[in-house]
Amino acid sequence: QSVLTQPPSVSAAPGQEVAISCSGSSSNIGITYVSWYQQLPGTAPKLLIYDNTKRPSGIPDRFSGSKSGTSATLGITGLQTGDEADYYCATWDISLSAGVFGGGTKLTVL
Amino acid sequence: QVQLQESGPGLVKPSQTLSLTCAVSGGSISTGTYYWSWIRQHPGKGLEWIGYIYYTGRTQYNPSLKSRVAMSVDTSKNQFSLELSSVTAADTAVYYCARLPRYTGSPFDYWGQGTLVTVPA
Repeated sequence: QSVLTQPPSVSAAPGQEVAISCSGSSSNIGITYVSWYQQLPGTAPKLLIYDNTKRPSGIPDRFSGSKSGTSATLGITGLQTGDEADYYCATWDISLSAGVFGGGTKLTVL
Repeated sequence: QVQLQESGPGLVKPSQTLSLTCAVSGGSISTGTYYWSWIRQHPGKGLEWIGYIYYTGRTQYNPSLKSRVAMSVDTSKNQFSLELSSVTAADTAVYYCARLPRYTGSPFDYWGQGTLVTVPA
C-alpha cells in the first residue's frame, strides 16, 4: 500500500490528453513539492516534473504538473505512442521522515 | 552532465549482505548541494525509497528498512555505497542510485540505469 495513491492505469487515443492524479495527505503533498517520473519499459525512471509544475530542460511542454491541497496531477497533451510508460509521483513525508512514491500509473495510448 | 553507475553482485544468498556501489561522474559528490540516494523496484512493482547519504556521512533511512540498511560515502573515489543485511527473496529488486537536491520535496533528478539483485528463495 503506497503512501501516495495513483490510479493503476489510464488510457487515451493518440493526439488526445490525459490526466494522472496523485493523492496524498497533509504530511506529504499538502506541505511540500511533488515530482513526477516517466519509466519506459526496461529503463530507469526519468524526471518529468519537479517542484509541482516545473519541467527540466528537454521535457516538452506537452507535459505539465499542478497541485491543489493534498493532491497533484500530471497532464499530458497530444499523446503519442512513445508516451506509453509507467508514471510515478513522489514527495517527502514529514511524519515518516521518508521519501514516498505513488504506486504508479500505466499509460496506454490506444 | 552528471552520470551515476551502480555496480555489485547480481546474486546474493539468503541471510547474507547485499552490497552495491554507485560511482558518480560529471560532478563532485562533495559539493554539498545534494543528497545521494538509493531506490529499489521489486519485479513488476513500484518504486521504494531506501534512503540517502550526504557527503559528510550523515544518513536518513526508510523506517521500514532502517534496521538492515547502512550507507557510506567515499569522497576520494566520488562514490557511495549501500549495504542491506539479512536479505531474503523479498529483497530481490532492481536497485537504483539517484541524486537528490538538498531541499524538502526535491526531485531525484539524475538516476543510474539500475542493477538487478536476485536473492533466491
